[in-house]
Amino acid sequence: GAGVSQSPSNKVTEKGKDVELRCDPISGHTALYWYRQSLGQGLEFLIYFQGNSAPDKSGLPSDRFSAERTGGSVSTLTIQRTQQEDSAVYLCASSLSSGPGNTIYFGEGSWLTVV
Amino acid sequence: GDSVTQMEGPVTLSEEAFLTINCTYTATGYPSLFWYVQYPGEGLQLLLKATKADDKGSNKGFEATYRKETTSFHLEKGSVQVSDSAVYFCALRVNDYKLSFGAGTTVTVRA
Repeated sequence: GAGVSQSPSNKVTEKGKDVELRCDPISGHTALYWYRQSLGQGLEFLIYFQGNSAPDKSGLPSDRFSAERTGGSVSTLTIQRTQQEDSAVYLCASSLSSGPGNTIYFGEGSWLTVV
Repeated sequence: GDSVTQMEGPVTLSEEAFLTINCTYTATGYPSLFWYVQYPGEGLQLLLKATKADDKGSNKGFEATYRKETTSFHLEKGSVQVSDSAVYFCALRVNDYKLSFGAGTTVTVRA
């Protein structure tokens, strides 16, 4: 597609429920990233995929968070048993490949509110 | 670890004023440096970048020069418009895939 596409754009969920956030990267981009943007924490790196594997999951805040990528394309970020502190904007990004010469393009984000 | 410190906001300016947002970095190597912009209701967009010392990135009237001696990458625009109202993030490429962002500076331009 023309850009990184994320869905849903907005999600309100009750505390304790599970949520899934979806990301469609730019076509042909092998590298995919998830970041979280929250008040007081700024932009935090969550996880990086190269193809379908995730060499770096170091930013995932707890074991309630997981992500997968299938077919070298779509990725899903899953948050189990959501907590109020999970409320944030979850940003997906992609680049043609990893490496310093590759520009990282961001989607518009999925705004998650846990009530 | 590698990190970015940028000027705290908010910054409020009148149209046609000069804008500077300071950004300094700490890094062990020679990172690429970026400015991203987030307009109201939109996602992060790459504004400009510089990949080595003394490089100047420029776009939409904005400029930033990669200064290795002062470890800085200050963003400047000579004459801002209302449409430049946004949140600006300085970032550095920590490694092949990870970006480290500053806290963001909110800029509001009044007509």
